[in-house]
Amino acid sequence: EAQVTQNPRYLITVTGKKLTVTCSQNMNHEYMSWYRQDPGLGLRQIYYSMNVEVTDKGDVPEGYKVSRKEKRNFPLILESPSPNQTSLYFCASSFGRGEKLFFGSGTQLSVL
Amino acid sequence: QQQVKQSPQSLIVQKGGISIINCAYENTAFDYFPWYQQFPGKGPALLIAIRPDVSEKKEGRFTISFNKSAKQFSLHIMDSQPGDSATYFCAASNNDMRFGAGTRLTVKP
Repeated sequence: EAQVTQNPRYLITVTGKKLTVTCSQNMNHEYMSWYRQDPGLGLRQIYYSMNVEVTDKGDVPEGYKVSRKEKRNFPLILESPSPNQTSLYFCASSFGRGEKLFFGSGTQLSVL
Repeated sequence: QQQVKQSPQSLIVQKGGISIINCAYENTAFDYFPWYQQFPGKGPALLIAIRPDVSEKKEGRFTISFNKSAKQFSLHIMDSQPGDSATYFCAASNNDMRFGAGTRLTVKP
């Protein structure tokens, strides 16, 4: 089944404790992206990747890192999480930039 | 500043009624206008999309109306059903996908 898998689904952590949210897709998509969803703000792009070893900032990249060492994987790293990063995070992939996006099921992150 | 403005924020419709969600954009370079549907606990999923060379696209009970001169587009859900209750996001893209703030639709039985 074609899908985007992200883990974990729920994560509670404390300020400053590094964490990684994993994302993997099995559709051989070139493009992958991370979004955060906040009430009243919709989906805002954090980082995206056009291909392996190619990443770039989205609209809200501060406090986040990503890597794309393999085509299928695109982890999101929070080196020192802060409470304002409490949000619902989605990984997405597509054949190309600006095309139909396939989303994962989301990761609800709470930073205390 | 949001590049795609969506309204209303929430919408309650009776079963069998018509649900209408509106979006407006500024960037005339946008060339792809999708609508995503999101159920609680799930990621958004593409519902229907339109390119600016047509003014309307219909798929079953879902229709996109597109007004290029006004830089507006809307989603119409005919014969709305309780199973349509979800959050709907409009988006616009020419390379980067820009999303509206979302509309929470509730269809009452």
